[in-house]
Amino acid sequence: DAGVIQSPRHEVTEMGQEVTLRCKPISGHDYLFWYRQTMMRGLELLIYFNNNVPIDDSGMPEDRFSAKMPNASFSTLKIQPSEPRDSAVYFCASRGPYSGNTIYFGEGSWLTVV
Amino acid sequence: TQLLEQSPQFLSIQEGENLTVYCNSSSVFSSLQWYRQEPGEGPVLLVTVVTGGEVKKLKRLTFQFGDARKDSSLHITAAQPGDTGLYLCAGADAGNNRKLIWGLGTSLAVNP
Repeated sequence: DAGVIQSPRHEVTEMGQEVTLRCKPISGHDYLFWYRQTMMRGLELLIYFNNNVPIDDSGMPEDRFSAKMPNASFSTLKIQPSEPRDSAVYFCASRGPYSGNTIYFGEGSWLTVV
Repeated sequence: TQLLEQSPQFLSIQEGENLTVYCNSSSVFSSLQWYRQEPGEGPVLLVTVVTGGEVKKLKRLTFQFGDARKDSSLHITAAQPGDTGLYLCAGADAGNNRKLIWGLGTSLAVNP
């Protein structure tokens, strides 16, 4: 079975540009999570969805960040405008109705804002 | 704010040595998970512990959940280079098990 698929794997962009990260969760999973990972702060939960509905976005740093999940198989995380401090690895993860608390991570999107 | 502290932060050992890493909190968790993350990849679940005092074994890895469900340890016997990676613990909030509280991890390097 395909795992969580993220794109792009790597992105380098200039400060002020819009960045869009994409995620396809595992088929049948009803929870989708967006995390950000840095050396200093570790893994931080940004937002999570249940059945495509945003449940908790308290981890979203500021208004420059937005996330959508238009259907069960696709989600985006957008940063506009991007800043150097947004440089991090962004992970998408999903969880199914029968997997308990087990969440499955994608390989991550490595973002560098210069 | 719930916090999970992991120690040590970094560990470099020789192949064949034993090691223990720790995950501590002042908060009670309904369950606790250990993940391993290899470079360039996302974390992968190793084990979930639920009951206070529970011990689980996964080949050379032994996981223990503290009696009060506030702390956990991971012991690796006869470490191998393939054990190299970042070991993360994550606690499920008793009030909302959809949100995991993450430690910063222990970065382990096992040298051949």
